[in-house]
Amino acid sequence: GAVVSQHPSWVICKSGTSVKIECRSLDFQATTMFWYRQFPKQSLMLMATSNEGSKATYEQGVEKDKFLINHASLTLSTLTVTSAHPEDSSFYICSAPLGRADTQYFGPGTRLTVL
Amino acid sequence: TQLLEQSPQFLSIQEGENLTVYCNSSSVFSSLQWYRQEPGEGPVLLVTVVTGGEVKKLKRLTFQFGDARKDSSLHITAAQPGDTGLYLCAGEGSNYKLTFGKGTLLTVNP
Repeated sequence: GAVVSQHPSWVICKSGTSVKIECRSLDFQATTMFWYRQFPKQSLMLMATSNEGSKATYEQGVEKDKFLINHASLTLSTLTVTSAHPEDSSFYICSAPLGRADTQYFGPGTRLTVL
Repeated sequence: TQLLEQSPQFLSIQEGENLTVYCNSSSVFSSLQWYRQEPGEGPVLLVTVVTGGEVKKLKRLTFQFGDARKDSSLHITAAQPGDTGLYLCAGEGSNYKLTFGKGTLLTVNP
């Protein structure tokens, strides 16, 4: 069945460095993917919509220069957290719809810890 | 901006008890989805409700969509420890976008 993978599953980095997170759709193509951030015991907050072949659309309050999104192909979107700081530590989750919003698959998430 | 209010935010019950989680909005959604998420994992879709007044059952879980398609509820009968997790409702907006409620953290104690 349709699956979305993320890599890495967890990453620890020093403050000031950049971290790239990959989101891949397996066995299906996704022209749109979504990136969420989730803090402990809280819900998912949509950060941006990744669009294949065009610029990402960011939600209000999300810095596009800090969270770089590249939808390199129909099966891959990447999120790069630039100049990461401890407050960027969070659980980052991507999702991809399979043609409809009510058939949307979520990745397993990436735990980012910035020291 | 469409908002979803989910309640209760935290719920701790004993095995065998029943519970209901509510999801309310002032906006109409074309569909509403319920997810369950375990720590360190992505959300997993439980059900999608589309039609006003719709009721869906998934074993001990019963999902209802309000007539006006603005609210929904999740009822669990005879909860078990394996039901422990974060339950999230999400409303479908335009362009496949989902708006999530704040979630209900359920703990079922043996």
